[in-house]
Amino acid sequence: NAGVTQTPKFQVLKTGQSMTLQCAQDMNHEYMSWYRQDPGMGLRLIHYSVGAGITDQGEVPNGYNVSRSTTEDFPLRLLSAAPSQTSVYFCASSFLAGGETQYFGPGTRLLVL
Amino acid sequence: AQSVTQPDIHITVSEGASLELRCNYSYGATPYLFWYVQSPGQGLQLLLKYFSGDTLVQGIKGFEAEFKRSQSSFNLRKPSVHWSDAAEYFCAVGILTAYSNYQLIWGAGTKLIIKP
Repeated sequence: NAGVTQTPKFQVLKTGQSMTLQCAQDMNHEYMSWYRQDPGMGLRLIHYSVGAGITDQGEVPNGYNVSRSTTEDFPLRLLSAAPSQTSVYFCASSFLAGGETQYFGPGTRLLVL
Repeated sequence: AQSVTQPDIHITVSEGASLELRCNYSYGATPYLFWYVQSPGQGLQLLLKYFSGDTLVQGIKGFEAEFKRSQSSFNLRKPSVHWSDAAEYFCAVGILTAYSNYQLIWGAGTKLIIKP
């Protein structure tokens, strides 16, 4: 049982490049989400999914796309990277959306030059 | 608008001393309440949570938190800190949005520094 895994751990991009951050969980959780963490701002929700085929926007969705074709995987796509997207990205999952414990991945540190 | 405030960005405590980290929220109903801890370079781990019932909840690693409805607060406490408690602590509240979706709103975090 690996929990929530994220790849890569660290990535450097140039402005305008695109990339996909991978997230997978092996706990059969329905709810998955992506956060970004910036100093002094806590965690901000980017996108979330309540099950395969269902996604929705969070607080800061602009510049990011998601899809959920399987229960296990929830990739985050940066369409055209900007320096403002330099951040640490966390994927999290839980059994259900309401009040459940969120299990976090180890994070992906992204630097956009 | 819903919000979570952790008024202390940093707190420094001597090893063995007691600890209280403050958390206040703004929400019209009683939300789900959580405290998470993040060790350096790591993801977040749940310390404890409150849904209903007894307003004093116990968590892992000897932490506890008390929900005070009248003060919209959910402060985290530990009677005696250890050097391994040095980390960043996040308070979060679970709310229902206008579209009946559930979301977590996070505080900005409090970094705990332990003096030997």
